[in-house]
Amino acid sequence: DAEITQSPRHKITETGRQVTLACHQTWNHNNMFWYRQDLGHGLRLIHYSYGVQDTNKGEVSDGYSVSRSNTEDLPLTLESAASSQTSVYFCASSVGQGGSYEQYFGPGTRLTVT
Amino acid sequence: GQNIDQPTEMTATEGAIVQINCTYQTSGFNGLFWYQQHAGEAPTFLSYNVLDGLEEKGRFSSFLSRSKGYSYLLLKELQMKDSASYLCAINDYKLSFGAGTTVTVRA
Repeated sequence: DAEITQSPRHKITETGRQVTLACHQTWNHNNMFWYRQDLGHGLRLIHYSYGVQDTNKGEVSDGYSVSRSNTEDLPLTLESAASSQTSVYFCASSVGQGGSYEQYFGPGTRLTVT
Repeated sequence: GQNIDQPTEMTATEGAIVQINCTYQTSGFNGLFWYQQHAGEAPTFLSYNVLDGLEEKGRFSSFLSRSKGYSYLLLKELQMKDSASYLCAINDYKLSFGAGTTVTVRA
């Protein structure tokens, strides 16, 4: 069955370290998204991609980067982790153009920056 | 930008009906999604409204009024498994989510 996976599921890192969170989908979806979820803020969009070599900044992109070298993967990199980046991170994918199709979410990565 | 408001919490009894409201102000609008999220899990799709009116899917219905910037999700015949957060999201070629409404169903 097609699916979307994230790894690791849990990560503890130190302030200042570079961290990469993986997202892999097997639906062959064009669109992929990264969100963070914090209490009281809901899901906030970090970066998104509408296809290979396409990346766009979302609402809270500072301190994060992504690259899209193939259809299946959109890794999220925290260049220099900060305590404010402690959060639960969700990756999602969808078919078609833009945001008009339901997004399928991965299981999430809980990141703690100490 | 977007401004999306939902109540923070609601409590209801098993078998009852609960209505979760979502009001929004947005510069661009192509539709409104509702997602369900159980504690510790990923959000899952419930409904998508593009046109005004009511969409019904089993025990769940979603309503949209574009002129009023208003939507609601109606949960009927509540079951214990419906205890979850319900997220309203605006489609402006990408999604903007409200903070979510946590629904607790009591026996």
